[in-house]
Amino acid sequence: SQQGEEDPQALSIQEGENATMNCSYKTSINNLQWYRQNSGRGLVHLILIRSNEREKHSGRLRVTLDTSKKSSSLLITASRAADTASYFCATQRSGYSTLTFGKGTMLLVSP
Amino acid sequence: DGGITQSPKYLFRKEGQNVTLSCEQNLNHDAMYWYRQDPGQGLRLIYYSQIVNDFQKGDIAEGYSVSREKKESFPLTVTSAQKNPTAFYLCASSTVDRDLNIQYFGAGTRLSVL
Repeated sequence: SQQGEEDPQALSIQEGENATMNCSYKTSINNLQWYRQNSGRGLVHLILIRSNEREKHSGRLRVTLDTSKKSSSLLITASRAADTASYFCATQRSGYSTLTFGKGTMLLVSP
Repeated sequence: DGGITQSPKYLFRKEGQNVTLSCEQNLNHDAMYWYRQDPGQGLRLIYYSQIVNDFQKGDIAEGYSVSREKKESFPLTVTSAQKNPTAFYLCASSTVDRDLNIQYFGAGTRLSVL
């Protein structure tokens, strides 16, 4: 069953603006990951945050995790047109070796 | 060039026909996965394998079958029992890790029904 739920479902911004996407999940997790999918392509891993971490940065990406609220957010700063894609959160439950993906947020960055 | 190769990119199935989607990886990963993606939806796990000659059902295994005869290969057969096969199919691989499962994906196969 799908565990992660992202919101918003779609987000449209201008180049240079920041984009924030949220993910909620239902059970305890070992880690939470964010993936990106360009239209009609496979997914690419962006960043992973462990359950004992609260914030992580990678380039223009910032991920936060609040295990008490079972939620995470992905912030993309200074967005570019090339950031246009769908973004999925995926959770790995403790003791499990598989991932559960959410339905994704579709981000459109206009020049 | 390391990665995961899925073929074909597009596939058409006639009613009552079985079709097989290919997935090959040269990342030396033990685990491989098959997902189905419907428009506007997330990924749903069909089957996964963590070792040669062994595989496990995912959330939506009915109407699908797999084999894992080689570490590098994990083909998916969409059988005639799958009544709604039109979807985008993604293959992925990873190391077997219960703490850090980072998956690497192929470019996908789009299956349509004629």
